[in-house]
Amino acid sequence: GAVVSQHPSWVICKSGTSVKIECRSLDFQATTMFWYRQFPKQSLMLMATSNEGSKATYEQGVEKDKFLINHASLTLSTLTVTSAHPEDSSFYICSAHQGNGYTFGSGTRLTVV
Amino acid sequence: RKEVEQDPGPFNVPEGATVAFNCTYSNSASQSFFWYRQDCRKEPKLLMSVYSSGNEDGRFTAQLNRASQYISLLIRDSKLSDSATYLCVVQTMNTGFQKLVFGTGTRLLVSP
Repeated sequence: GAVVSQHPSWVICKSGTSVKIECRSLDFQATTMFWYRQFPKQSLMLMATSNEGSKATYEQGVEKDKFLINHASLTLSTLTVTSAHPEDSSFYICSAHQGNGYTFGSGTRLTVV
Repeated sequence: RKEVEQDPGPFNVPEGATVAFNCTYSNSASQSFFWYRQDCRKEPKLLMSVYSSGNEDGRFTAQLNRASQYISLLIRDSKLSDSATYLCVVQTMNTGFQKLVFGTGTRLLVSP
């Protein structure tokens, strides 16, 4: 089946630094990739929809200058959390739409100290 | 009001029990409906799609009532391995893109 590889699986960074998360579709081309964030005991919240070759579409309340999304190829989308703060600590997960279904990456647990 | 609402639980049941989860959604234009399972600190995994005619996959039965905007999941003969959070998920169209909207999930704990 379709596989989305997400890296890193966890990262600890200092406040003020930037962190890049990568999602690769391994055996299919992902024109559209979705980026979610999940805080403890809360639902997955869509942050943005990433489209290959064009600008990402951000959900209301998500700062596009803080969460930089790049989808330069059909198999790779990246999310960069810039100037990270402790309140950005969360579980970030990507998903690609393929056929009639959605495939999720394994998620990245970000801790900002 | 949340777009997808679920009882967060937890539901504590013994092995072998039957348990039912409910979910309501607010967007009447929603197109597709799913139940996902999420284990602690893991990504969600598709359990099953939900159709108006109702559908069954082994011990799991899902039902959709479009008129009431209500979705259900029934688990029969619960196993210890069923312990997880069950996410009600609705697919809608937003600004030209299809997107998934997740409920907060219902936590199930199956005990021996």
